[in-house]
Amino acid sequence: AQSVSQHNHHVILSEAASLELGCNYSYGGTVNLFWYVQYPGQHLQLLLKYFSGDPLVKGIKGFEAEFIKSKFSFNLRKPSVQWSDTAEYFCAVTRLYNNNDMRFGAGTRLTVKP
Amino acid sequence: GAGVSQSPRYKVAKRGQDVALRCDPISGHVSLFWYQQALGQGPEFLTYFQNEAQLDKSGLPSDRFFAERPEGSVSTLKIQRTQQEDSAVYLCASSPGPPTNEKLFFGSGTQLSVL
Repeated sequence: AQSVSQHNHHVILSEAASLELGCNYSYGGTVNLFWYVQYPGQHLQLLLKYFSGDPLVKGIKGFEAEFIKSKFSFNLRKPSVQWSDTAEYFCAVTRLYNNNDMRFGAGTRLTVKP
Repeated sequence: GAGVSQSPRYKVAKRGQDVALRCDPISGHVSLFWYQQALGQGPEFLTYFQNEAQLDKSGLPSDRFFAERPEGSVSTLKIQRTQQEDSAVYLCASSPGPPTNEKLFFGSGTQLSVL
């Protein structure tokens, strides 16, 4: 089965700093990749997704992620974070032709100091 | 409804008690998923329904866990003889359905504490 690793458990940044959260997956076949975000007290919601085509995908709120197939990575980036980006971020993967079992990483907690 | 609704929001159970957790998916969504999220971890897949059919239950940790969706809408996750290790947030998610289930709409979860 596919699995996901997120390297950073907790990241603390000041406002306007640049963000990069690491995500690696292990699965030999074709995958779909996702980033979900959970703001404090709220439910998980989709931030962005990659299915095919341009490996650089853009999501909501200025976030983007780059799929690097050779590195099995799908890192999340944002050039300048805001205090409101404080949340937990989860990377997830499904298999291309059997996407009923989305697998999540352990999550990275981002704290942005004002 | 406007989103996925789960009840109760919090549940405290004594070890050995049975519990039932309810999920109301978004109206018309074919696919329904249950996840278990332990403290400090990401959601772990439990089971998947397509309408009333439970197509994948490979993530259920033991035979004490049982899920149903008899009419293809509301789903119930039942845990029998609860143990302390069952303490977690149980998340329900729905999506419009195959062929792609790529966008999951999550509920707020039920936080289960087993004492």
